[in-house]
Amino acid sequence: GQQLNQSPQSMFIQEGEDVSMNCTSSSIFNTWLWYKQDPGEGPVLLIALYKAGELTSNGRLTAQFGITRKDSFLNISASIPSDVGIYFCAGQWPGNTGKLIFGQGTTLQVKP
Amino acid sequence: DARVTQTPRHKVTEMGQEVTMRCQPILGHNTVFWYRQTMMQGLELLAYFRNRAPLDDSGMPKDRFSAEMPDATLATLKIQPSEPRDSAVYFCASGLGGVNEKLFFGSGTQLSVL
Repeated sequence: GQQLNQSPQSMFIQEGEDVSMNCTSSSIFNTWLWYKQDPGEGPVLLIALYKAGELTSNGRLTAQFGITRKDSFLNISASIPSDVGIYFCAGQWPGNTGKLIFGQGTTLQVKP
Repeated sequence: DARVTQTPRHKVTEMGQEVTMRCQPILGHNTVFWYRQTMMQGLELLAYFRNRAPLDDSGMPKDRFSAEMPDATLATLKIQPSEPRDSAVYFCASGLGGVNEKLFFGSGTQLSVL
């Protein structure tokens, strides 16, 4: 089925470092969402992007909706141990159906 | 806080048994999505509903899976008969729908089929 290509697949960084991850697709989306999942829980929404070129921040997190509408990135500045988890991008198809599909996830580990 | 409620949280069953997973979407939300999460496939979309009507269930194995919304406060996902390859975490998510969707997820049902 249709997929979003999310990279990197995993990251192991030192506390205090900045993190960057991205998603790309061959299809255009009209919404990009970024989620974080902790073990044993469902994904939690971090940031929602609705316009091409939009740059949105949520604390130490910043995400951008690519100009081509086919990509998005998420940055985390000054990482801390509680940033550990799996980060997912999700894209919503244009049109009335509102179908939302997810990338494969980026597993982030932070070394104190 | 409003949240999506899924039951049961864990289910262990034997191959061939029927499994029913339930979801209570956030009050006022009119879209409900079912996803399956495995290590190999990530989050796969199984089916989704808007205003209780199924919009797309192309991701669901039709021979054994069925999804319904008997009313606006309950969505169900059934597997009959279950197989070991169905072992996964099943998530329900709800949203307001529309062009700019935001989905809110439940805590999932962890299913193990022996």
